[in-house]
Amino acid sequence: SQQGEEDPQALSIQEGENATMNCSYKTSINNLQWYRQNSGRGLVHLILIRSNEREKHSGRLRVTLDTSKKSSSLLITASRAADTASYFCATVPYNQGGKLIFGQGTELSVKP
Amino acid sequence: GAVVSQHPSRVICKSGTSVKIECRSLDFQATTMFWYRQFPKQSLMLMATSNEGSKATYEQGVEKDKFLINHASLTLSTLTVTSAHPEDSSFYICSARSGSTDTQYFGPGTRLTVL
Repeated sequence: SQQGEEDPQALSIQEGENATMNCSYKTSINNLQWYRQNSGRGLVHLILIRSNEREKHSGRLRVTLDTSKKSSSLLITASRAADTASYFCATVPYNQGGKLIFGQGTELSVKP
Repeated sequence: GAVVSQHPSRVICKSGTSVKIECRSLDFQATTMFWYRQFPKQSLMLMATSNEGSKATYEQGVEKDKFLINHASLTLSTLTVTSAHPEDSSFYICSARSGSTDTQYFGPGTRLTVL
C-alpha cells in the first residue's frame, strides 16, 4: 500500500550543484522520514520531520514539510559524487501502528 | 546506534523449497519488526508487521500462508518463504523498532534468488 509519490524519478546533476527531490503523500501522518539507499544495499536513515514541524536541517540536508499540501522536499546542497544513490521518502501514517509507507524514490546521479 | 542484522545476506534456492530469513536486533529489544520486499528499481513494499508474542499483521495482497513470520523473542523475527518460486526472487529487508519510538532501524537486506 504505497502512498508516496516522488519526483523526479531520476535526477542527474554535476558535483557542487544542489539537488531537490519532492514527495507527496495521501493520508494524515505522524512524521515523514527520508532515507538513502546505495545500489543493492540497505537503507540509511537521513532525517525525520514531525507533522508539527515545517523545516529541518542536518548538515547539507534541508527538509521541508507542508501538511496542508501533503508534500515534502529534500534539498541536498553542494552535492558530491558520493551522494549518488536512491532517495526515498517514507511516511508514518497517523494511527496505523507506526508502519512506514515508502514513496517510489528518486534516483540521484551526481557526476564528478 | 541500534544495529539490526539479517541472515543470510544472499540465498539461492531451487523452486519449491522453503527459505528462512532471520532478522535480529543486536543491542536493543525490538517490540515491533517490519518486513519489506523490494523488486529491482522499485521502492520498498511493506509486507507485514510483527509484534513480539503475537501474530503478524499482513498488508493487503500478501499471502500469510506463503510468507510465514515468527517473532518469538524481543530480538529475533524470522520470515519463511514457503514453496518459493522464481517470482519470489527479491530483496527482503527487515526493520525493528523499540517501544513506540518513531525510528525504525533497518537490516542490510537479504537477496533471494529462486531458480
